[in-house]
Amino acid sequence: DTGVSQNPRHKITKRGQNVTFRCDPISEHNRLYWYRQTLGQGPEFLTYFQNEAQLEKSRLLSDRFSAERPKGSFSTLEIQRTEQGDSAMYLCASSSTSGGAWNEQFFGPGTRLTVL
Amino acid sequence: AQTVTQSQPEMSVQEAETVTLSCTYDTSENNYYLFWYKQPPSRQMILVIRQEAYKQQNATENRFSVNFQKAAKSFSLKISDSQLGDTAMYFCAFIINNTDKLIFGTGTRLQVFP
Repeated sequence: DTGVSQNPRHKITKRGQNVTFRCDPISEHNRLYWYRQTLGQGPEFLTYFQNEAQLEKSRLLSDRFSAERPKGSFSTLEIQRTEQGDSAMYLCASSSTSGGAWNEQFFGPGTRLTVL
Repeated sequence: AQTVTQSQPEMSVQEAETVTLSCTYDTSENNYYLFWYKQPPSRQMILVIRQEAYKQQNATENRFSVNFQKAAKSFSLKISDSQLGDTAMYFCAFIINNTDKLIFGTGTRLQVFP
């Protein structure tokens, strides 16, 4: 399977614990995005990378959230001191900038986080 | 503010019939792209169709077509000859040129009945 993959698919944690999610983009894609989707809502942009550089962060990304893409390939999203409001589906997407004016974002299956 | 509104939380259609999902959006920008994404149950989101805002001609992809009204900021999706596999959440979204942030609506859950 050469699509975007995310691990784990599901994570249940207790409030106050730290969690880390991983995203592996399509191999030739240089851009990688993180979105959050809460119940009954559409995905909301969190941050994105071009290669290893983090180019934009949403105000939704509080100080407890940190994302990295150290080698320009996979990315991790860490949430420290989780809160119940962090419960959501975390979606990763990737794209290539070689396509011209518009670059389709391909989505992964998501990581569903439940904070108890 | 840049927003997308999908006023139909749920829709249903019988197999082989036609259904239209509505979407309105708000932006002060002139150059952008509009999309419809499909998110099947427990599966990843896939792009159904896209429309460049500078094009007047409505986009078509097989059974899927859009009605793009730029002045009204309206972007509806028509699914013809509905199939059981079309059952999914459908999200309307747009992206401003030279940015990479997709802005999504809240989605419409479509159920296709046999």
